[in-house]
Amino acid sequence: NAGVTQTPKFRILKIGQSMTLQCTQDMNHNYMYWYRQDPGMGLKLIYYSVGAGITDKGEVPNGYNVSRSTTEDFPLRLELAAPSQTSVYFCASKAALGYGGYGYTFGSGTRLTVV
Amino acid sequence: KNQVEQSPQSLIILEGKNCTLQCNYTVSPFSNLRWYKQDTGRGPVSLTIMTFSENTKSNGRYTATLDADTKQSSLHITASQLSDSASYICVVRDSGGGADGLTFGKGTHLIIQP
Repeated sequence: NAGVTQTPKFRILKIGQSMTLQCTQDMNHNYMYWYRQDPGMGLKLIYYSVGAGITDKGEVPNGYNVSRSTTEDFPLRLELAAPSQTSVYFCASKAALGYGGYGYTFGSGTRLTVV
Repeated sequence: KNQVEQSPQSLIILEGKNCTLQCNYTVSPFSNLRWYKQDTGRGPVSLTIMTFSENTKSNGRYTATLDADTKQSSLHITASQLSDSASYICVVRDSGGGADGLTFGKGTHLIIQP
């Protein structure tokens, strides 16, 4: 049981380049999330999805796009990388909204540096 | 604005000792409070989750408490081990609907020394 898998683990981008952060889960979870974690700060929600074909903005969506064509995959797209997007990105999934258990399963993160 | 404040920011203790981490929140309406452990270079892993009616919840050597009246929570670690070195994040969920409803604290960075 792999849980939530994120690729790549590390990436260095030049300003203006684009890339896609991959996230896949094998738990058949409906809910998936993208967070960013800046040094010394709490995680911030970028985008989330409540099921295939449905996505919505979180707290800090500017500069990012997402898609959810399947239950398993939730890629995050950076179109024009900026230094402010240097961060660690975490993907997470959850079985259902309001689930009272432990709920969220996080991936291991992608450390992105924009220079 | 919902906020979660954790203290101390960092803590160093000797192996075998106990410690307590604090979390104060101003999240409304309150749904539940979670403690996560985040090892360096890894994603957060859930330790406990407590709803409004729960005062204490344990997970092995980790015991979380919740005082919903004062909006405070603590995480107590008993007989610390080197593997407890990590960041501990307090996360509060509101029941207002929409998005994930989560407010994350900045974490307490705990170092266990041999």
